[in-house]
Amino acid sequence: NAGVTQTPKFQVLKTGQSMTLQCAQDMNHEYMSWYRQDPGMGLRLIHYSVGAGITDQGEVPNGYNVSRSTTEDFPLRLLSAAPSQTSVYFCASRKTGVSYNEQFFGPGTRLTVL
Amino acid sequence: ILNVEQSPQSLHVQEGDSTNFTCSFPSSNFYALHWYRWETAKSPEALFVMTLNGDEKKKGRISATLNTKEGYSYLYIKGSQPEDSATYLCALTGTASKLTFGTGTRLQVTL
Repeated sequence: NAGVTQTPKFQVLKTGQSMTLQCAQDMNHEYMSWYRQDPGMGLRLIHYSVGAGITDQGEVPNGYNVSRSTTEDFPLRLLSAAPSQTSVYFCASRKTGVSYNEQFFGPGTRLTVL
Repeated sequence: ILNVEQSPQSLHVQEGDSTNFTCSFPSSNFYALHWYRWETAKSPEALFVMTLNGDEKKKGRISATLNTKEGYSYLYIKGSQPEDSATYLCALTGTASKLTFGTGTRLQVTL
């Protein structure tokens, strides 16, 4: 199993550009989520999904869209990039059903918005 | 939104020292507590998951305890080594399988 994969690893955007961060998992996990990591703020939840066709907002959803057309993929779209979205983005997945299931993280995407 | 607090924010110890840090959370709406270890330039890796009051977990020199009635968990590291240097994250499972993370305790172990 590849686990949770993310592409790209690094990205530089100009203000106003749009892009999609890709996330995929091959563990048949129902639950997938996106976090952003900023200094001193830990991991903050952007959006999450409990299964194909179902998405919901986390703590900091503004400026981001998600979709979940398959169990495996959960892309994160930046509609019009802003410097405040400069961050490291982590995708994660876990099996639902019991609260003690481990959550697995992807390697992260480092995004800089100029 | 669950409020998960970790203390201290950072810690600097010498090799061989034992240390511990705290995760505090509201005792209601509790489902499970997770501890993660997060090394610089890597992604977080799960250490422990605990669900029951009084749970204790151990992995090598690292152990954790859980008190759901008073809303806290302790993570202990015995005989710290430089390779233990990392940020240790605590997270709570609430509704809809969401994990809410604390801001972490950054541990640095020097020779």
